Amino acid sequence: AQSVSQHNHHVILSEAASLELGCNYSYGGTVNLFWYVQYPGQHLQLLLKYFSGDPLVKGIKGFEAEFIKSKFSFNLRKPSVQWSDTAEYFCAFYSGGYQKVTFGTGTKLQVIP
Amino acid sequence: NAGVTQTPKFQVLKTGQSMTLQCAQDMNHEYMSWYRQDPGMGLRLIHYSVGAGITDQGEVPNGYNVSRSTTEDFPLRLLSAAPSQTSVYFCASSLRESNYGYTFGSGTRLTVV
Repeated sequence: AQSVSQHNHHVILSEAASLELGCNYSYGGTVNLFWYVQYPGQHLQLLLKYFSGDPLVKGIKGFEAEFIKSKFSFNLRKPSVQWSDTAEYFCAFYSGGYQKVTFGTGTKLQVIP
Repeated sequence: NAGVTQTPKFQVLKTGQSMTLQCAQDMNHEYMSWYRQDPGMGLRLIHYSVGAGITDQGEVPNGYNVSRSTTEDFPLRLLSAAPSQTSVYFCASSLRESNYGYTFGSGTRLTVV
């Protein structure tokens, strides 16, 4: 069965620290990949997405993610986090057909001022 | 544009009661879906629709019904509420297939006592 693994459930960082959140998917075919962010008390918002082409994708608010096909990974990075980045981050992938979007269980990021 | 609008934001039900969660979008999106979000489990798909008059089951459909009489609206009905349905419910929509990325509503926090 297709699945998404987010290895870190809870990450605590100080402001200005670098961030990398892991995401691995389990599917043998072509995929579209997403990162969503959910700020406290709010709904999920699309952070960035990868369809094809350059495997390094840049999103909003300085986030980027790199698709490494050989590792089935799509890790999210940010060089310097801010307190306002405190949120839960969800990795997801789409494998084709109707409603074939699979979400990971999420990583809670807490940034300490 | 209002995007995806969900009502109510909060609801408390007694076991056995029924209710309808409302979802409306004004983006002319063909695709709409309902997810539930539970701690440590990510988002799980309940039902989805690829257009007016067409609905199908997702990963966890039991205890829920949906209909799609118009492009704009996609209500979720709880037939006989159970404590296991205590969750946060999100409605999402997208253009055609899911690889465009979702626009999420603000969620409904449901407690069944």
